[in-house]
Amino acid sequence: NAGVTQTPKFRVLKTGQSMTLLCAQDMNHEYMYWYRQDPGMGLRLIHYSVGEGTTAKGEVPDGYNVSRLKKQNFLLGLESAAPSQTSVYFCASTPFRGQGYGETQYFGPGTRLLVL
Amino acid sequence: GENVEQHPSTLSVQEGDSAVIKCTYSDSASNYFPWYKQELGKRPQLIIDIRSNVGEKKDQRIAVTLNKTAKHFSLHITETQPEDSAVYFCAAIPISSGSARQLTFGSGTQLTVLP
Repeated sequence: NAGVTQTPKFRVLKTGQSMTLLCAQDMNHEYMYWYRQDPGMGLRLIHYSVGEGTTAKGEVPDGYNVSRLKKQNFLLGLESAAPSQTSVYFCASTPFRGQGYGETQYFGPGTRLLVL
Repeated sequence: GENVEQHPSTLSVQEGDSAVIKCTYSDSASNYFPWYKQELGKRPQLIIDIRSNVGEKKDQRIAVTLNKTAKHFSLHITETQPEDSAVYFCAAIPISSGSARQLTFGSGTQLTVLP
């Protein structure tokens, strides 16, 4: 199993450009999450999905959109990139089946995004 | 919503000494508390977790304690080694997150083990 993978690993954008980050998992996990990590602020949840075809907002959703058309893929889109979106983005998934089972979140390797 | 505070932000210890990182949470209904280790340039990886019906859990040199009354939990690393140097994050899942099981993370602790 490759686990959780992310594409691309690194990207430089100019302000106003758009891009899509791809997260893929081959563990048949139901739940998937997108986080951003900034220095001194830990990881903050952007959007999440509890199953194919579902998405919901997290703590910091503004400026981002997501889609979960296939169970194994979770896409994060930036329609008009801003310098404030310079960050490291992590995707995670969990096989959660009910309280007390499968709550461990498995993270991808991250995508470093620089917006100039 | 849940708020998780983590202290200290940086911690330096001599190799072989113990390290303790503390977190407090605000939602008394939170019921799952994982700890993640993140090495420089790498992804966060779970090292230990504890549920609200347990007061302490140990895995070799790592232990976590939970005080539900005071709403705080701590990570204890004994006999520290240079490879323990990393950023450690605590997190909590509040019951209010429902089926989404959203993690709220602390701000992280940079642990440096000095040889």
